[in-house]
Amino acid sequence: DAGVIQSPRHEVTEMGQEVTLRCKPISGHNSLFWYRQTMMRGLELLIYFNNNVPIDDSGMPEDRFSAKMPNASFSTLKIQPSEPRDSAVYFCASSFGQLGDTQYFGPGTRLTVL
Amino acid sequence: AQSVTQLDSQVPVFEEAPVELRCNYSSSVSVYLFWYVQYPNQGLQLLLKYLSGSTLVKGINGFEAEFNKSQTSFHLRKPSVHISDTAEYFCAVIGGGSQGNLIFGKGTKLSVKP
Repeated sequence: DAGVIQSPRHEVTEMGQEVTLRCKPISGHNSLFWYRQTMMRGLELLIYFNNNVPIDDSGMPEDRFSAKMPNASFSTLKIQPSEPRDSAVYFCASSFGQLGDTQYFGPGTRLTVL
Repeated sequence: AQSVTQLDSQVPVFEEAPVELRCNYSSSVSVYLFWYVQYPNQGLQLLLKYLSGSTLVKGINGFEAEFNKSQTSFHLRKPSVHISDTAEYFCAVIGGGSQGNLIFGKGTKLSVKP
């Protein structure tokens, strides 16, 4: 079975540009999570969805960040406009959504904002 | 609020030696604990988890962890490490919310030397 798929794997952009990260969760999973990993702050939850509905977006840093899940097999995380401090690795994870279920992580997108 | 403290940021060890990676947690809700491993330039992979039952949990790759409620700890152990165990290890606890978002520790980098 395919795992969680993320694209692109690497993204280099200039400050002020719009960046869109994409995620395809594992088929049958109904919870999807976006995390950000940086040296300074470690792994932080940005937002998570259950049955395509955003449940908790309190981790989204500011209005420049937005996430959508139009259907069960696709989610996007958008940054507009991007800033150098957004440089990080962004992970998508999915699970069956029950408390204690294993979250399966994608390979991540390494974003560099110049 | 839930939180996780990983006491060691780096642990160097020689091949075939035993290792223990320490994790302490704070949780005001039912305790569900996880250990994930991250190999270089990859996503996170579940090693093991504790939801209930036996306090000694066995995971993949020969790792095990023991849940100790009185000491609020969930230390990870392996009796004999291999070069291939070199990676970063994250302890995590379930955060608030019924869908079980994870709150991660800062990670411990295990470096196995020949």
